[in-house]
Amino acid sequence: RKEVEQDPGPFNVPEGATVAFNCTYSNSASQSFFWYRQDCRKEPKLLMSVYSSGNEDGRFTAQLNRASQYISLLIRDSKLSDSATYLCVVTGTDKLIFGTGTRLQVFP
Amino acid sequence: DARVTQTPRHKVTEMGQEVTMRCQPILGHNTVFWYRQTMMQGLELLAYFRNRAPLDDSGMPKDRFSAEMPDATLATLKIQPSEPRDSAVYFCASGSNTDTQYFGPGTRLTVL
Repeated sequence: RKEVEQDPGPFNVPEGATVAFNCTYSNSASQSFFWYRQDCRKEPKLLMSVYSSGNEDGRFTAQLNRASQYISLLIRDSKLSDSATYLCVVTGTDKLIFGTGTRLQVFP
Repeated sequence: DARVTQTPRHKVTEMGQEVTMRCQPILGHNTVFWYRQTMMQGLELLAYFRNRAPLDDSGMPKDRFSAEMPDATLATLKIQPSEPRDSAVYFCASGSNTDTQYFGPGTRLTVL
């Protein structure tokens, strides 16, 4: 079983839609959680950290459920520019463990 | 705007050749990571350094891969001999700690 699992997608949504991604992790000792965004043929970039109480950054909301060991990312009012692959990331032993990503395609 | 730089950006080589990839971390960052990304496996950690000392290279095939940090401004990843299955994008990332990492643009390697 992979340490971080994500639905690869693609999720195809129209502009303005709300879309949510989930991610599960296997290491209950993980302390920090993140969402990274990766555009096609580019490097991953930090989108946001995920806090236990949940946190919001504009149209993006991240939540953590430690009991069930899953993390979610909600994108409201999707824009064409949100099209990318979203990587779920958790801390392992002194390193980051990346999921394989969920691809989002927003269409006009 | 400080960035991680990597060279070369693209490399096409033949099986059996040596490949050297270079990374210049962001000035002041003391942790450097090497990752490999393929469609099938996603992003895999190969090795990382803290204060130039190798901390973990368990993700790296030891027989052909080597990673070094000759000084604080340069990290290298070498493959010798290269094989077609090494074809991937190799990313370098740097940070002040494990949690926050800034990625370079990657080296796209094709081994024929």
